[in-house]
Amino acid sequence: GDSVTQMEGPVTLSEEAFLTINCTYTATGYPSLFWYVQYPGEGLQLLLKATKADDKGSNKGFEATYRKETTSFHLEKGSVQVSDSAVYFCAEAVGNKLTFGGGTRVLVKP
Amino acid sequence: DAGVIQSPRHEVTEMGQEVTLRCKPISGHDYLFWYRQTMMRGLELLIYFNNNVPIDDSGMPEDRFSAKMPNASFSTLKIQPSEPRDSAVYFCASSAQDRVYGYTFGSGTRLTVV
Repeated sequence: GDSVTQMEGPVTLSEEAFLTINCTYTATGYPSLFWYVQYPGEGLQLLLKATKADDKGSNKGFEATYRKETTSFHLEKGSVQVSDSAVYFCAEAVGNKLTFGGGTRVLVKP
Repeated sequence: DAGVIQSPRHEVTEMGQEVTLRCKPISGHDYLFWYRQTMMRGLELLIYFNNNVPIDDSGMPEDRFSAKMPNASFSTLKIQPSEPRDSAVYFCASSAQDRVYGYTFGSGTRLTVV
């Protein structure tokens, strides 16, 4: 079946460092791609999305580009803050079924 | 809109008891999803509904689990009888047909079966 693979964490960074979280998907065709963020004790919140090849999703300084040729949707942020500490999930949607990666825990230290 | 509302936020029950989790989706959303989150297995899709009709329940772990959606504004996930391995956080999510705004998740129900 379809699956999403993202880098395992935890990822530990200093404030203002550059963050990259790799994500690849396996669905054929043109699935919609998402990044969700989960803060401690909370549900998942949509961070950004892209629905077709070469689309760039962006929000709160985070960006991800839909790369059909490499089946990837890597998340990046140029300068992280302590408040970005959370678990980040990559997901693909085929039809109306959303499949998540395993999540990457990010810890930003002051 | 208040978002997707789940209740209760926390549930502690004894093994063998029946547990019912509740979800109110966002008004106007015609898809509703139930997910389970554990450290070992991550986020698993259990079942989803479209216009109150179950579409895919292949993720429901076993017959002890059942889900219903009697109307567009309410869904339940029931576990009977509950077992310690059912301990997890259960999330409900809803989305509109066009998925323009993605899937909106509730805050989850943390279930502990002792």
